[in-house]
Amino acid sequence: EAQVTQNPRYLITVTGKKLTVTCSQNMNHEYMSWYRQDPGLGLRQIYYSMNVEVTDKGDVPEGYKVSRKEKRNFPLILESPSPNQTSLYFCASSPYRGGYGYTFGSGTRLTVV
Amino acid sequence: DAKTTQPNSMESNEEEPVHLPCNHSTISGTDYIHWYRQLPSQGPEYVIHGLTSNVNNRMASLAIAEDRKSSTLILHRATLRDAAVYYCAALDSNSGYALNFGKGTSLLVTP
Repeated sequence: EAQVTQNPRYLITVTGKKLTVTCSQNMNHEYMSWYRQDPGLGLRQIYYSMNVEVTDKGDVPEGYKVSRKEKRNFPLILESPSPNQTSLYFCASSPYRGGYGYTFGSGTRLTVV
Repeated sequence: DAKTTQPNSMESNEEEPVHLPCNHSTISGTDYIHWYRQLPSQGPEYVIHGLTSNVNNRMASLAIAEDRKSSTLILHRATLRDAAVYYCAALDSNSGYALNFGKGTSLLVTP
């Protein structure tokens, strides 16, 4: 089944403890991105990647890092999480940037205390 | 960034057609218009997208105004499983191909 898989689904952590949210797609998509969803603010892009080793900042990149060493994987790294990063995170992929629909993962609900 | 605006909520009867509107008056000529829907505790699900012409697929139809300042998602026969939040989004080709989502329309389908 074609899908985007995120792990973990739920995570509670403490301020300052580094964490990684993994994202993997099995569709050989070139384009991948991360979004966060917050009440009243909607879905906002954090980082995106056009292809392997090509990443760039989205609208809200502060406090996050990403890497794209393999085509299928696009992990989101929080080096020193803070409470304002408590949110629902989604990874998405697309065959190519532009005129294709995006496939989203099921989400990771992160709580930073 | 192109901004999209949608009604907060709409209601439909089962098996009736549903027309979900979206305004995107600041969209650029190369930005695709996307629609997604989201159920509680799930990620957004792709519904349809288009650039200038009307589009049809197995899930829905997308009608795009000639001036591209608005579009309408059409569900031809609503079912109870179509109850969800529907998001209109402009794909910003000048900003990382980010989907600029609207606030979404919560669709209630009643039997």
